[in-house]
Amino acid sequence: GEDVEQSLFLSVREGDSSVINCTYTDSSSTYLYWYKQEPGAGLQLLTYIFSNMDMKQDQRLTVLLNKKDKHLSLRIADTQTGDSAIYFCAEIPFTGNTGKLIFGQGTTLQVKP
Amino acid sequence: EAGVAQSPRYKIIEKRQSVAFWCNPISGHATLYWYQQILGQGPKLLIQFQNNGVVDDSQLPKDRFSAERLKGVDSTLKIQPAKLEDSAVYLCASSPRETSGYTFGSGTRLTVV
Repeated sequence: GEDVEQSLFLSVREGDSSVINCTYTDSSSTYLYWYKQEPGAGLQLLTYIFSNMDMKQDQRLTVLLNKKDKHLSLRIADTQTGDSAIYFCAEIPFTGNTGKLIFGQGTTLQVKP
Repeated sequence: EAGVAQSPRYKIIEKRQSVAFWCNPISGHATLYWYQQILGQGPKLLIQFQNNGVVDDSQLPKDRFSAERLKGVDSTLKIQPAKLEDSAVYLCASSPRETSGYTFGSGTRLTVV
């Protein structure tokens, strides 16, 4: 089946690292994504990882993929108040492979000064 | 490049009324998606177009929702008649092809009273 689960809320202090976790059920997922949504705005693609990779780093963002446990995480180093937003994990299931994105329910990141 | 344009940004209607949303994707993007995002949830796919053909409309409530993509460019999503549970943000996204990264518009926030 197709299902993506995330914790709902994370609070950190400015300058700390944030780790947002996600689990998915479709073991044949080809692409896994992280999107950011600020209040009243659309979804901004932050980064993505192919299923044959274990890790991807992009400036302050590090994505870790554990295929055995179907677990994806997003680490934000030196978290800033501007990082406060809702973060969505999403997968493209291989089944049918139409490109349909399956989203988690989102993790609200609160950054305290 | 210009982003995905959506209008209107906000719409308030009474239940049983009709409403239409418009989307202009990024030029040259063959694939267009409409997602529904209910408050506190992740977006869910309503319909996917490849050029002007429907690829996936399995989650579209066809008794009240309809969508078209004229000439493989702009798209409209219509709800007739609206119900209270249709209150949500309607997001349009486009990509050059299936399985490519999406670009999302800012969305239309619909409130049904």
